[in-house]
Amino acid sequence: EVQLVESGGVVVQPGGSLRLSCAASGFTFDDYAMHWVRQAPGKGLEWVSLISWDGGSTYYADSVKGRFTISRDNSKNSLYLQMNSLRAEDTALYYCAKDSLEGSSGWYGYNYFDYWGQGTLVTVSS
Amino acid sequence: QSVLTQPPSVSGAPGQRVTISCTGSSSNIGAGYDVHWYQQLPGTAPKLLIYGNSNRPSGVPDRFSGSKSGTSASLAITGLQAEDEADYYCQSYDSSLSAPNVFGTGTKVTVL
Repeated sequence: EVQLVESGGVVVQPGGSLRLSCAASGFTFDDYAMHWVRQAPGKGLEWVSLISWDGGSTYYADSVKGRFTISRDNSKNSLYLQMNSLRAEDTALYYCAKDSLEGSSGWYGYNYFDYWGQGTLVTVSS
Repeated sequence: QSVLTQPPSVSGAPGQRVTISCTGSSSNIGAGYDVHWYQQLPGTAPKLLIYGNSNRPSGVPDRFSGSKSGTSASLAITGLQAEDEADYYCQSYDSSLSAPNVFGTGTKVTVL
C-alpha cells in the first residue's frame, strides 16, 4: 500500500524558514518524480514544485521560485521542501504527491498525481 | 486565476445524475492534453478519481465517468450518493505556461 506522510508544518513568522518532509513507502520511491501541492484555507489546489526521480531536475511555480527548494533522499525514501522568506500567502496545507509516470523527470502532458499524503499545515503569521 | 474553469457548485438529489464541466483552451485541453479528476472529501486529501480523460483507478465506482471534447472535459456522477458530497478538481497540462501543470477552479457537489 502506498503511503505518503508529511511532517514539519508549524506556525512561523513572516520572513522565516521551514523545512517540510514527506516519508514514502509502499512503492519504489526512486522510480518516480514527486511533487508538492498546496491548498490555502478554503481555496483550491495549487501545484508548488516537482523533482525528478533522481533529483536531477526540479521545477517550481512562479509564486515560490527563488524562495523554496525541493529535494529528495532516495536512500531514506524521503522528499523535502525547504521554504525560505515565507509570506502570509504561503499559509496552506502542503501535500506531497506521487507522479504517475515511472522514470519521469518533468511534465509530459499526461502526468497526474496518483497518490497524495494527508498534508501538513503551514501558517505564516506574526 | 486558473486557466481551467469549473462551475463553483452543482447539486442533485440522491440517485440523480450530475455533471461537472472543466473548460480550457487551445493551449491545454484543446491541444489534446489529458484531463484528470480528483475528489476531495471534506477534511481529507485529494484522491485520484479519473485519469487520462476517462479511466478509473481500481476501486473507483463506475458511477464516475469522464469525457473530453474540444476545449472542455466533463465528469459525470450517475446515481448520486450522499458520500459523493465533496470538492472535485480537474487537472491538465498547458503548453503556454512556464509551470505547465494546472488545476481547475474546483466544484463543490452538494447532495440535496
